[in-house]
Amino acid sequence: LAKTTQPISMDSYEGQEVNITCSHNNIATNDYITWYQQFPSQGPRFIIQGYKTKVTNEVASLFIPADRKSSTLSLPRVSLSDTAVYYCLVGDMGYSSASKIIFGSGTRLSIRP
Amino acid sequence: EPEVTQTPSHQVTQMGQEVILRCVPISNHLYFYWYRQILGQKVEFLVSFYNNEISEKSEIFDDQFSVERPDGSNFTLKIRSTKLEDSAMYFCASRTGLRTEAFFGQGTRLTVV
Repeated sequence: LAKTTQPISMDSYEGQEVNITCSHNNIATNDYITWYQQFPSQGPRFIIQGYKTKVTNEVASLFIPADRKSSTLSLPRVSLSDTAVYYCLVGDMGYSSASKIIFGSGTRLSIRP
Repeated sequence: EPEVTQTPSHQVTQMGQEVILRCVPISNHLYFYWYRQILGQKVEFLVSFYNNEISEKSEIFDDQFSVERPDGSNFTLKIRSTKLEDSAMYFCASRTGLRTEAFFGQGTRLTVV
């Protein structure tokens, strides 16, 4: 499993775009990059996953450069409800294995009015 | 949207007692997991379960822990003789082999006194 490094915490304001970058220098060919969100006293919730280039859904965008050694989660126009811990995970989530999902320390995002 | 259900939401037990935490994964999922999160710390992997057997387990998952899928719908975590340090949130998760995101339950808060 590739090790990930992300900022411990970030602060922003309502209405701003927030970008959280994750480094994963040892990412393997079969690894996907997945981001989860966790609110206090709740289970983690899947946000977005990608392999390369850019992925966008109704919640966020994920930018992955060609070398895949890093990725950036982009949250457009954040609100107070986006205050949470965001986890960057890298691993083989293929059908052939029961790959465990390993969480790092995450980035604690605080949104202010 | 289908969800993973965990019961109870909160359990208080005396040190040395046995506890069983229960989970109902999403019905067509094939892979099942237990995680724990001590207050203020990161989410820690305990065990993964596939095809009616343990796939992987962490160092935390010692002989005091066991998992079972007794009836094809429930997925349980048993702690035989609880210790104070077992106090944590316990999360159950499940996923299919076809989709790579894992769905987490809302957790059971276990308090050992």
